[in-house]
Amino acid sequence: DGGITQSPKYLFRKEGQNVTLSCEQNLNHDAMYWYRQDPGQGLRLIYYSQIVNDFQKGDIAEGYSVSREKKESFPLTVTSAQKNPTAFYLCASSDGGLESDTQYFGPGTRLTVL
Amino acid sequence: GESVGLHLPTLSVQEGDNSIINCAYSNSASDYFIWYKQESGKGPQFIIDIRSNMDKRQGQRVTVLLNKTVKHLSLQIAATQPGDSAVYFCAESGYSSASKIIFGSGTRLSIRP
Repeated sequence: DGGITQSPKYLFRKEGQNVTLSCEQNLNHDAMYWYRQDPGQGLRLIYYSQIVNDFQKGDIAEGYSVSREKKESFPLTVTSAQKNPTAFYLCASSDGGLESDTQYFGPGTRLTVL
Repeated sequence: GESVGLHLPTLSVQEGDNSIINCAYSNSASDYFIWYKQESGKGPQFIIDIRSNMDKRQGQRVTVLLNKTVKHLSLQIAATQPGDSAVYFCAESGYSSASKIIFGSGTRLSIRP
């Protein structure tokens, strides 16, 4: 059963703590992405990776970090430097680069900062 | 900056009727467009896509129309069913070598029984 998985589905964090969101895909896709979704707004790109061991900042990278040590995994760390981290986080993957390949999404992780 | 937007934030449709969800894009150089469906608490699901060399593409119960003259995109859903209730949003990309997909904020489709 191919697809993208994200864990956990719900995550609670105290202010000042770092937290890591998991994203795994078995679609053999080269590119992976992290988005943030806030109510009433479109998806905003945090980080993306087009190949293993390489990644680039998106539009709202401040307060976040990523790694891409394996093709199938692209974890996102929300650091204490992120001023407003409560949001729905979506991971996606695509077969190619950013320009035109369709991105397929995971089920999302809802992060709440207490 | 460039943006993708939707004309109607909410749409209520009688079950069995056809639904039309509209989207305006601002960059005439965009050459790839996608419609996604997002149910509450879930990730977006790919519905259909279209490239700028086409003006119409059909899928199962869905049709996407692209009018490049007025930079308008629409999603038509035939015989709307309760399971179609969701937020639908369009996305555009492809207007530069460093381009990325730009997502609209979405239209909520609700189905009346």
